[in-house]
Amino acid sequence: QKEVEQDPGPLSVPEGAIVSLNCTYSNSAFQYFMWYRQYSRKGPELLMYTYSSGNKEDGRFTAQVDKSSKYISLFIRDSQPSDSATYLCAMRAYNFNKFYFGSGTKLNVKP
Amino acid sequence: DGGITQSPKYLFRKEGQNVTLSCEQNLNHDAMYWYRQDPGQGLRLIYYSQIVNDFQKGDIAEGYSVSREKKESFPLTVTSAQKNPTAFYLCASSGATSGYTFGSGTRLTVV
Repeated sequence: QKEVEQDPGPLSVPEGAIVSLNCTYSNSAFQYFMWYRQYSRKGPELLMYTYSSGNKEDGRFTAQVDKSSKYISLFIRDSQPSDSATYLCAMRAYNFNKFYFGSGTKLNVKP
Repeated sequence: DGGITQSPKYLFRKEGQNVTLSCEQNLNHDAMYWYRQDPGQGLRLIYYSQIVNDFQKGDIAEGYSVSREKKESFPLTVTSAQKNPTAFYLCASSGATSGYTFGSGTRLTVV
C-alpha cells in the first residue's frame, strides 16, 4: 500500500466551478500537509501548507485536513482556466524532513 | 530573492556517458532532495541529504550518485549504469518547518 493515495484524474470542470481535490494517507505520524501546483514542464510551486487538522484559506483556495480519517482536501472556488495544472499533495511527519507525495491529479478548467 | 537554481534546463546524454545536474539554493535550508518525474507519473525520490557531508538513498537510487560538500549545493550525477535516464529531474530543499521549495527542473534526454 502506498503511503499517499491520490486520484490521477484527469478532472475536467467548466470555468467558475468549485473544484475538490483529495488525498488519503496511511501513516498517522504525518503532521504537515501541503498542496503543490505544477504546470507542464515546470517545477511544482507550493500553494498551501498546513499543520495538523483544520482548515486554511488563501484567496480562492481552501485546504482541509481531517487526521481522524487520514484525508486531506484542496478546494478551489471560482475556478479559472489558469488553474489548469497538475495538483500534488505532500505530507511529512514531525521532525523528519522526508516528504511523501501523491501521484498528482490533472485538472482542466474549460473556458 | 531566495530560491533554488537548477542547471542546465535541458541536457542530452550519449549512451555510456555520465552527466551531472547542478542544484544550488540560497534559502539556508539544511535538507535537499532529488526527484525524478516521468510523464504522467508522480515524483520518485532518488537521494536526499539532511546535513552537509551526509546523504541517504531514496526509492530509486540505482545508477545515480550525489555529493553534499556545501550546504548550498547538491549535485546529482546520472551514471552510465542508469539504463533509462530520460526524465524530468527536480531538486528541492526544505527547512525545519517549511514545505519543499522546488527548482525549475532539468529535462534529461538520451540521444
